[in-house]
Amino acid sequence: DTAVSQTPKYLVTQMGNDKSIKCEQNLGHDTMYWYKQDSKKFLKIMFSYNNKELIINETVPNRFSPKSPDKAHLNLHINSLELGDSAVYFCASSLGRPQLAYEQYFGPGTRLTVT
Amino acid sequence: KNQVEQSPQSLIILEGKNCTLQCNYTVSPFSNLRWYKQDTGRGPVSLTIMTFSENTKSNGRYTATLDADTKQSSLHITASQLSDSASYICVVSEKTGANNLFFGTGTRLTVIP
Repeated sequence: DTAVSQTPKYLVTQMGNDKSIKCEQNLGHDTMYWYKQDSKKFLKIMFSYNNKELIINETVPNRFSPKSPDKAHLNLHINSLELGDSAVYFCASSLGRPQLAYEQYFGPGTRLTVT
Repeated sequence: KNQVEQSPQSLIILEGKNCTLQCNYTVSPFSNLRWYKQDTGRGPVSLTIMTFSENTKSNGRYTATLDADTKQSSLHITASQLSDSASYICVVSEKTGANNLFFGTGTRLTVIP
């Protein structure tokens, strides 16, 4: 069974469109994350939810909006896509908050290409 | 300013050799430090997590050390294998209510036969 799954794996879309990426974890974890990895392979945290509460909200454009319908799901909605949004987006989960030293489990990533 | 710096940026070694990757940080107050391995096209995989009181932790051929006084960590890989070719990322967590995570830019390791 896949621990952290993301859909879709690849997403190609045009500038100005709105798209969503879904993430689900079946590990029973309380905390979930969204990361962006750009073309230079630098991994940057975007958001984190703990028990459906937003606990990390880094400086990202407000075109990005996370939604956590329940502890097992964290979706990422992106409005008015721009060329600079092209990247690989990773979802991750952990048993607790980052400062509690719990291991994070990453999904396979969603490669977003904006044309 | 909270930062995490890794060195070298890239490294090429022969199969079977050992190597050491470095991570220096200025994050304070410190909570924990993680090392991740990321294969090309895949998500990162956790290798080790160390808290303030731990100064060494092993995971197979990977051994991480932590010196909380000098704010330095190293990842030592023993008897390297071709499958060790990957990016290695150091991440430091801040011990505040802000839940902040600080990422290094990674070291790209290539193991050649």
